[in-house]
Amino acid sequence: QVQLVQSGAEVKKPGASVKVSCRASEYTFSDYCIHWVRQAPGQGLEWMGWINPKSGGRDYAQKFQGRVTMTRDTSISTAYMEVSRLRYDDTAMYYCARGTLRPPKYNWFDPWGQGTLVTVSS
Amino acid sequence: QSVLTQPPSESGTPGQRVTISCSGSSPNIGSNYVYWYQQLPGTAPKLLIYRNDQRPSGVPDRFSGSKSGTSASLAISGLRSEDEADYYCAAWDDSLRAWVFGGGTKLTVL
Repeated sequence: QVQLVQSGAEVKKPGASVKVSCRASEYTFSDYCIHWVRQAPGQGLEWMGWINPKSGGRDYAQKFQGRVTMTRDTSISTAYMEVSRLRYDDTAMYYCARGTLRPPKYNWFDPWGQGTLVTVSS
Repeated sequence: QSVLTQPPSESGTPGQRVTISCSGSSPNIGSNYVYWYQQLPGTAPKLLIYRNDQRPSGVPDRFSGSKSGTSASLAISGLRSEDEADYYCAAWDDSLRAWVFGGGTKLTVL
């Protein structure tokens, strides 16, 4: 079945960067976009942005512009999300989720990856 | 503070019908579809309802969604213990140009 498998947990120091991967299987990677959503401990969901694997086009939520970079490698059906200048409040579970190639407002998120816990600690 | 407003918690007994509300505004729920996600303890969210009232294949018809104006609701009938989870509403916001979520509702089956 369609699956998104994410990389393992990370522990980073404040000011460092982290790169999370999301590998897609059982569908044509370039036919669907990838969204990234994060969830701080005990908190709700927060949309970070999306990438179109076919064109490489991407858009980020205003809060994350300048600090988040989304990329992809179509040869291995994998999307990446990098957060730079990490802060303590970036500690969260980071999820990738599949969307459609239609404009973001016509998307929905299905399925989701299993999540990658990023802990920012000195 | 979430853009969409949900009650923090709801509860019900097995077999009961419960509803979870989601309140927004014109740029989000008022102008776009509403989606609902179920997050079982310790797992990733799962799509439950799309485009206001559509169920993906595999989602029981005990789950139903509706939307009116700038509000939406999720109804769960014939409540079961396995429905105990966090439920999130979501919508695109034309002003923010971003997906926005409700703060989540923790459903407890008593």
